[in-house]
Amino acid sequence: DAGITQSPRYKITETGRQVTLMCHQTWSHSYMFWYRQDLGHGLRLIYYSAAADITDKGEVPDGYVVSRSKTENFPLTLESATRSQTSVYFCASSRGGESPGAFFGQGTRLTVV
Amino acid sequence: AQTVTQSQPEMSVQEAETVTLSCTYDTSESDYYLFWYKQPPSRQMILVIRQEAYKQQNATENRFSVNFQKAAKSFSLKISDSQLGDAAMYFCAYRIDSGYALNFGKGTSLLVTP
Repeated sequence: DAGITQSPRYKITETGRQVTLMCHQTWSHSYMFWYRQDLGHGLRLIYYSAAADITDKGEVPDGYVVSRSKTENFPLTLESATRSQTSVYFCASSRGGESPGAFFGQGTRLTVV
Repeated sequence: AQTVTQSQPEMSVQEAETVTLSCTYDTSESDYYLFWYKQPPSRQMILVIRQEAYKQQNATENRFSVNFQKAAKSFSLKISDSQLGDAAMYFCAYRIDSGYALNFGKGTSLLVTP
């Protein structure tokens, strides 16, 4: 099905482990984003990408790494997970221009123990 | 930096009544977009309505409408004839014209009572 999908939907990992959250979109949107959602903070931008091989930091990038070798994929890696990275992570995409906002994946709930 | 403020952490409305959710934003830009997103318990982020800053006419989508006051930097969402399915978290978001990342407020939790 067309759209934007995230995997896994739920993940529990231990402190210090590396974990990668996957994001795939089928619209060929140029722009992709990673947000984290925490109670009392709304959604905060971690990283974004304007095109393949072009990425830039958002508001809260520390502890995260992204890559975008293909337009349709935008994985987010936590290099050494910490408990403060327990959150719900959303991937989103946008075609840019007069776009109707961004389209979001279903979210990944990550728990770091 | 642009900021988006939703001053009402929680709101409650009776079924069939009207409720207004508030949002203010701070920006020095002249061209931008404003959005309201709905997040039901399923966690899915759903675009409810959008407003272009250059348009004076307030956007409407069925039972949802906005009151956009550019000078006051205010962007409130009115939900008419509230339904039980409207119960959700509502986020106001802002985007500058030349960029595409959204800046979100902290959200307003809307409870709809029968």
